[in-house]
Amino acid sequence: GEEVAQTPKHLVRGEGQKAKLYCAPIKGHSYVFWYQQVLKNEFKFLISFQNENVFDETGMPKERFSAKCLPNSPCSLEIQATKLEDSAVYFCASSRQGDDYGYTFGSGTRLTVV
Amino acid sequence: EDQVTQSPEALRLQEGESSSLNCSYTVSGLRGLFWYRQDPGKGPEFLFTLYSAGEEKEKERLKATLTKKESFLHITAPKPEDSATYLCAVAISGGYNKLIFGAGTRLAVHP
Repeated sequence: GEEVAQTPKHLVRGEGQKAKLYCAPIKGHSYVFWYQQVLKNEFKFLISFQNENVFDETGMPKERFSAKCLPNSPCSLEIQATKLEDSAVYFCASSRQGDDYGYTFGSGTRLTVV
Repeated sequence: EDQVTQSPEALRLQEGESSSLNCSYTVSGLRGLFWYRQDPGKGPEFLFTLYSAGEEKEKERLKATLTKKESFLHITAPKPEDSATYLCAVAISGGYNKLIFGAGTRLAVHP
């Protein structure tokens, strides 16, 4: 389809619990990106993939965050031992290789850590 | 450090009152500048990409322009349905396609 599908829409976790978010990119798009949006619209880049390979992970807090994009499966972003400051909306975006028309974003997963 | 700054933070307009949003950037090498619109509870929706100084693009009531240090999003005769947050983002050379976002401008257009 022509949309980036993110699930779940909302996720509530107690502090210290694990959270796993999923993203199905648009078919034919080679690149997948994860961004974290906190208060005041601040978008923070986390990680990108080119197909199933990590392309850029400079934004990932490596101790607790991990991500995968495996063939024939949705991409995933996992947070081990969530903290209160992980509360945010996590957006996934995809693009074609060498895409000059911007990235297509999903609707996001709102993670609330209590 | 690569940085994108948007102003104003919030803007209130009357329907039909034209205005401009600003996006200034300081980056090591600009590969492209993107404008997005974001509605509450949704992901950013792509509007424009600009690549070089002097470039302009238009879509309905919106027009985006680019100079070497900033971009403007001009809104002509806005309508209430133009109310949204407008985000500016840059892709930098050697940045592996990732986008650096500004904090956005929240636009409210009142009838």
